[in-house]
Amino acid sequence: AQSVTQPDIHITVSEGASLELRCNYSYGATPYLFWYVQSPGQGLQLLLKYFSGDTLVQGIKGFEAEFKRSQSSFNLRKPSVHWSDAAEYFCAVGDTSHTGNQFYFGTGTSLTVIP
Amino acid sequence: NAGVTQTPKFQVLKTGQSMTLQCAQDMNHEYMSWYRQDPGMGLRLIHYSVGAGITDQGEVPNGYNVSRSTTEDFPLRLLSAAPSQTSVYFCASSYSTQVQPQHFGDGTRLSIL
Repeated sequence: AQSVTQPDIHITVSEGASLELRCNYSYGATPYLFWYVQSPGQGLQLLLKYFSGDTLVQGIKGFEAEFKRSQSSFNLRKPSVHWSDAAEYFCAVGDTSHTGNQFYFGTGTSLTVIP
Repeated sequence: NAGVTQTPKFQVLKTGQSMTLQCAQDMNHEYMSWYRQDPGMGLRLIHYSVGAGITDQGEVPNGYNVSRSTTEDFPLRLLSAAPSQTSVYFCASSYSTQVQPQHFGDGTRLSIL
């Protein structure tokens, strides 16, 4: 079965520092991969997605992610974090195999930004 | 554009009661889906629809029913609520029938006593 692992439950970074959030997936074929952000009390917002092609994907709000097939990873990065980036971040994998359309989220990483 | 609208925002039920969580989108999206979010478990797919008249089960469908009579609406029904269904429920939509929830509602917080 497909699965998504986000090893870090909580991360704290200083404002202006770089950020990397880890995501590992388990999937038999080339996956569709996504990162979402959730602010408190809100729904999720799509940050970026990877379907195929260039393994470095640019998203909104200055985020990027890199697909590494050999490591089954899709880590999210940002070179300089802003206080408004404090939120919960979810990695997800889409399965469009013949068995139907399924979608699996990781358990999330909570980001705290300190001044 | 309102996007994806969920009602109600909060609800408390007693065990055994039934209720319908409403979800509507005004973007003419074909793909709609329902998720539940529980602490430490991320979001889990309950049911989804790839167009009017077409629905299918997700990862955790038991205890929930859905229907899709129009493109705009995708209600989620709890026929006999159980405490294990206490959760935050999110509806999402996408223009693509590939799996990619694009727009999420703000959620419905449901407590079952």
